[in-house]
Amino acid sequence: DAGVTQSPTHLIKTRGQHVTLRCSPISGHKSVSWYQQVLGQGPQFIFQYYEKEERGRGNFPDRFSARQFPNYSSELNVNALLLGDSALYLCASSLDYLGRWNEQFFGPGTRLTVL
Amino acid sequence: AQRVTQPEKLLSVFKGAPVELKCNYSYSGSPELFWYVQYSRQRLQLLLRHISRESIKGFTADLNKGETSFHLKKPFAQEEDSAMYYCALNTNAGKSTFGDGTTLTVKP
Repeated sequence: DAGVTQSPTHLIKTRGQHVTLRCSPISGHKSVSWYQQVLGQGPQFIFQYYEKEERGRGNFPDRFSARQFPNYSSELNVNALLLGDSALYLCASSLDYLGRWNEQFFGPGTRLTVL
Repeated sequence: AQRVTQPEKLLSVFKGAPVELKCNYSYSGSPELFWYVQYSRQRLQLLLRHISRESIKGFTADLNKGETSFHLKKPFAQEEDSAMYYCALNTNAGKSTFGDGTTLTVKP
């Protein structure tokens, strides 16, 4: 297993555009979480999706949305991009629901630059 | 709301010296606490979790509910311990909160 994979690796967008980031969890993992990491800060929790439903949400505006597919892969969508959305977006998968002492396995991240 | 604070952005010690990375948290419920580590050019990965009460790579962490702390300790630091360390808190509401990390440098 290659571990958690994310695509694309890098992305450049302009203000006002929309972006979709993709994540494939480790086989058998049912939970996917998304994080935003700005330089010099720790990962900031955006969403947890477990069994295809949103099961946790951080303090992010409604411009951020996500979904999880039947194969447990996930997409993060960001609308009306702002300069401040420039960051590394991390995806993490876990075997079970986050909040049952489950270890998170992180992907390499997608570097988003908004110009 | 939960919060995790790592007061030291940078920590530098000599090889063989003890090291302690501090983590303080605030959460009204029963916290699930973790330490994650990121070595150079590698992914973020779990180092240890509170519930396991185990020692990983010589590191241990004790939960002090009275002081709301979960400090990471190692009695004798090694050069390969140089990395970024993050303390994280999970809640049963399905949320995860990370601190801003401490960069540990172990000098020869």
